[in-house]
Amino acid sequence: QVQLQESGPGLVKPSQTLSLTCTVSGDSINSAAYYWSWIRQHPGGGLEWIGYIYYSGSTYYNPSLKSRVTISIDTSQNQFSLRLTSVTAADTAIYYCARVSVRGVFLFWGQGTRVTVSS
Amino acid sequence: EIVLTQSPGTLSLSPGERVTLSCRASQRVTNSYLAWYQQKPGQAPSLLIYGAFSRAAGIPDRFSGSGSGTDFTLTISRLEPEDFAVYYCQQYGNSPQTFGQGTKLELK
Repeated sequence: QVQLQESGPGLVKPSQTLSLTCTVSGDSINSAAYYWSWIRQHPGGGLEWIGYIYYSGSTYYNPSLKSRVTISIDTSQNQFSLRLTSVTAADTAIYYCARVSVRGVFLFWGQGTRVTVSS
Repeated sequence: EIVLTQSPGTLSLSPGERVTLSCRASQRVTNSYLAWYQQKPGQAPSLLIYGAFSRAAGIPDRFSGSGSGTDFTLTISRLEPEDFAVYYCQQYGNSPQTFGQGTKLELK
């Protein structure tokens, strides 16, 4: 059974960079069968897809965040990571990582990590 | 981008009742690539339905999905106590993939 675990700081100052890592267990991230994705859930409940990465390193980002987002993959550590630059209070959310089918269905989600942007 | 509108926002129901949730898209969803997720308090969303009507592994058959084009529904034939949660639809046929704002099922 695949498991995903997000990790990273819970508090980030405005204008700084948010960095999170997702550690995958029970499955190899070096698989052509899936994408690996970041999604966030805003305090009001709305879900927003941030982007995903393929084992090859190919990335796909939500156009609304593309200028600030970088997703990377480390197959040796079975991890993938999110960097979001120039954060504001609007980036306060629960951040989830997920395993995604090649069609785009979110098959398994991590438990999520809450990130607050505040000085 | 495709906007998904779910209705109603909240439903107050009792166990044993039948419920139908609606998800309407602002444009046609390619190939009916529409999924439904359930989210319980303090948990991540979990997949129920994909491809508009295919149940994910382990999902009871009281959950069913239907629809095409711009109109989709999730039906729970007989509510169990564990079904009271928030339900989200997601379209993945058009980039960027988007989610509806959710429908909350609460205990009457």
